[in-house]
Amino acid sequence: DAGVTQSPTHLIKTRGQQVTLRCSPKSGHDTVSWYQQALGQGPQFIFQYYEEEERQRGNFPDRFSGHQFPNYSSELNVNALLLGDSALYLCASNAGNQPQHFGDGTRLSIL
Amino acid sequence: AQTVTQSQPEMSVQEAETVTLSCTYDTSESDYYLFWYKQPPSRQMILVIRQEAYKQQNATENRFSVNFQKAAKSFSLKISDSQLGDAAMYFCAFDMEYGNKLVFGAGTILRVKS
Repeated sequence: DAGVTQSPTHLIKTRGQQVTLRCSPKSGHDTVSWYQQALGQGPQFIFQYYEEEERQRGNFPDRFSGHQFPNYSSELNVNALLLGDSALYLCASNAGNQPQHFGDGTRLSIL
Repeated sequence: AQTVTQSQPEMSVQEAETVTLSCTYDTSESDYYLFWYKQPPSRQMILVIRQEAYKQQNATENRFSVNFQKAAKSFSLKISDSQLGDAAMYFCAFDMEYGNKLVFGAGTILRVKS
């Protein structure tokens, strides 16, 4: 049974570019959440998708957007990249009233 | 807004001994959930143990147990018989309900000495 899978593993971009990160939830899960983890810090909640709609959002600018597909997979898009966007981006999934399961993350480096 | 504080940036323990990691949180809610996650260098966040605030009994998972003090808003993690594989960053986290949005502390690096 595959867990939460994220791609790519590592990505290098330059300032001003746009990036798309992908996440496939654990089998049986229908809710996907995204977190940003800066180096040496705890993860910060970006947003959550359920039934293809953004259900909750953390304190992140509109440059951060997402999407959920009918198969429950999700994308995180970041526009106009800044140096401060360099971080580990974690995807988590869950079903109903169950704890979240996390993927291995995508390490995004901005030059 | 809820906040989670981990006051120990780094802890060390000798293999086979016991260590306790501290966590305090702030909320005005009476029903919520608390978690300890482990993040090894492989990066994946792994759920270690969870506690429902309405349960008075402290949660236990094999060598891992918690000391949940609701009035004091304290949620510490005890690791017994520490093993080399326990070395990782440990995060305390809060959620209003399962699968809502987790609020994490800054983490505690645990080093295990052989």
